[in-house]
Amino acid sequence: AQSVAQPEDQVNVAEGNPLTVKCTYSVSGNPYLFWYVQYPNRGLQFLLKYITGDNLVKGSYGFEAEFNKSQTSFHLKKPSALVSDSALYFCAVRDPLGNNRLAFGKGNQVVVIP
Amino acid sequence: DGGITQSPKYLFRKEGQNVTLSCEQNLNHDAMYWYRQDPGQGLRLIYYSQIVNDFQKGDIAEGYSVSREKKESFPLTVTSAQKNPTAFYLCASSIVPGEIYGYTFGSGTRLTVV
Repeated sequence: AQSVAQPEDQVNVAEGNPLTVKCTYSVSGNPYLFWYVQYPNRGLQFLLKYITGDNLVKGSYGFEAEFNKSQTSFHLKKPSALVSDSALYFCAVRDPLGNNRLAFGKGNQVVVIP
Repeated sequence: DGGITQSPKYLFRKEGQNVTLSCEQNLNHDAMYWYRQDPGQGLRLIYYSQIVNDFQKGDIAEGYSVSREKKESFPLTVTSAQKNPTAFYLCASSIVPGEIYGYTFGSGTRLTVV
């Protein structure tokens, strides 16, 4: 069973508009959740994580994510998208069935239109 | 500065040839990972190691081999048994337990069969 799902292949948004990238998870126990960003031909860069505490997590480059336990979601958000936010975004979750390693979603391509 | 170095950035392999991808980290992390990235398929785990002289198969280990003789180094060999090796390969490392602190990624190696 897939531990984390990113339902959209691509998200298009106009520059200056709010950006949302969706992630839902399915794991037992406490979910440890992460967001990473990948620019072309580069490695993944850490954006933010939720381990415990406040459901709204703030991260790098103005991104934030909201942990919603009832909806098993951890959507990534940015109030005002920039063209430079165009990249591939990955959600990840601790996988208790995978020796507690991180399980990654398939990624979402974000395209910010000038 | 601490980080992960992958080399080379681009690599070309002839049919039937073995090639080795280098991954070195100076973060003093115990765990290291190799992922394969294909368009639209996200990250797939090839091998991982949580301690020197020990490593475990991931989801797609066939046709690949690794070694972990030093804490800093985790080279990946793509053997001739891997029939479709063209992909982007990412190395990562983490403090154990990595599910709390997250992973640090290298910049990747793009392997192409010619």
